[in-house]
Amino acid sequence: SAVISQKPSRDICQRGTSLTIQCQVDSQVTMMFWYRQQPGQSLTLIATANQGSEATYESGFVIDKFPISRPNLTFSTLTVSNMSPEDSSIYLCSVGAYYNEQFFGPGTRLTVL
Amino acid sequence: GESVGLHLPTLSVQEGDNSIINCAYSNSASDYFIWYKQESGKGPQFIIDIRSNMDKRQGQRVTVLLNKTVKHLSLQIAATQPGDSAVYFCAENRGGETSGSRLTFGEGTQLTVNP
Repeated sequence: SAVISQKPSRDICQRGTSLTIQCQVDSQVTMMFWYRQQPGQSLTLIATANQGSEATYESGFVIDKFPISRPNLTFSTLTVSNMSPEDSSIYLCSVGAYYNEQFFGPGTRLTVL
Repeated sequence: GESVGLHLPTLSVQEGDNSIINCAYSNSASDYFIWYKQESGKGPQFIIDIRSNMDKRQGQRVTVLLNKTVKHLSLQIAATQPGDSAVYFCAENRGGETSGSRLTFGEGTQLTVNP
């Protein structure tokens, strides 16, 4: 399986600011995804990060709030913009291929004050 | 010990017992399923997967059963150990060319193994 790292591992931010989370994979992967896990809850898909084109967002998530970049097949970023306390969550990236195993990074734990 | 998945989010078993974690899915078009284990403070860890053309798949100490008739998935853990204590999630790929590998997760079951 691919080795996935995320930076930062955790952060505490003030409301109204933005945070960019990085996801790095040790090998080229077809698909990269970003998920949110609110405290004590399950995972919800935010978007599919597409290499060289705009991300594909799920219902309820918009590009202005969660801009995503994927400049190559091993790296992606997720920005949480204009944060509020409701954005306090674990943000996770995952990698995989069509109808195949999907592996997750360790997550970024975000607290917004 | 056995859970009913979404309606019983906690399961407590004795070390050495077999555990059964259940999951109901809603979309009959779902064609690929994964079980994940998430320990506190960590990302989900892939355990085992199954495709819709199979009813059963076995791994090391784990077995996944798929019943497409009633849209039900279960994870069986043999000889449960304290290290198995975690939250377990089922995830489904809802199928179709446009869905790729986008996963929808169940709400999870907290498994506690008592020594």
